[in-house]
Amino acid sequence: ILNVEQSPQSLHVQEGDSTNFTCSFPSSNFYALHWYRWETAKSPEALFVMTLNGDEKKKGRISATLNTKEGYSYLYIKGSQPEDSATYLCARDSNSGGSNYKLTFGKGTLLTVNP
Amino acid sequence: NAGVTQTPKFQVLKTGQSMTLQCAQDMNHNSMYWYRQDPGMGLRLIYYSASEGTTDKGEVPNGYNVSRLNKREFSLRLESAAPSQTSVYFCASSEGQRQYFGPGTRLTVT
Repeated sequence: ILNVEQSPQSLHVQEGDSTNFTCSFPSSNFYALHWYRWETAKSPEALFVMTLNGDEKKKGRISATLNTKEGYSYLYIKGSQPEDSATYLCARDSNSGGSNYKLTFGKGTLLTVNP
Repeated sequence: NAGVTQTPKFQVLKTGQSMTLQCAQDMNHNSMYWYRQDPGMGLRLIYYSASEGTTDKGEVPNGYNVSRLNKREFSLRLESAAPSQTSVYFCASSEGQRQYFGPGTRLTVT
């Protein structure tokens, strides 16, 4: 995998459903994997930053896992609510140190939660 | 704190015109970034600045220049706008790994 790829591109679920989507990325020179939540007409907001293989992060009903050896991360949303509707972006950071972090973003997964 | 602010919010230019997009952050962050967002594409890095006085090219720097005026401000300049530069431009800042984004500038070049 040369780029950061996200699947599916879009997803429609019913309120209360649990869902998950995938981010695949090059595993070489890996430093960190970011997940952002981007609501329409707003700016992206960071959900998680994960660095270690096997990392799991959780924020309310949203959680994420990381596999750096095979180059993928999953984002899970439990009991989806209409306010979860947004585009979820993942980004790979290959920086090896320093104070700047160059991120390569995927195209995002657009989640729509129907009431 | 206002976080990351960008001006203007919207702009329409004619081909060949120049303009500067302004970005400021009040979080005392060292690093600042400019991205563009196009339909069907992820956010793509144009330029970044690790600290005051330094700037580096990102993935798509052609047609742009930047200035890190001071620690707070990072501007993006289009010297001769082209229709291919029609996009939504986001500025971001960071201290550590998490990046904080501004509200974006929607630019149309006709």
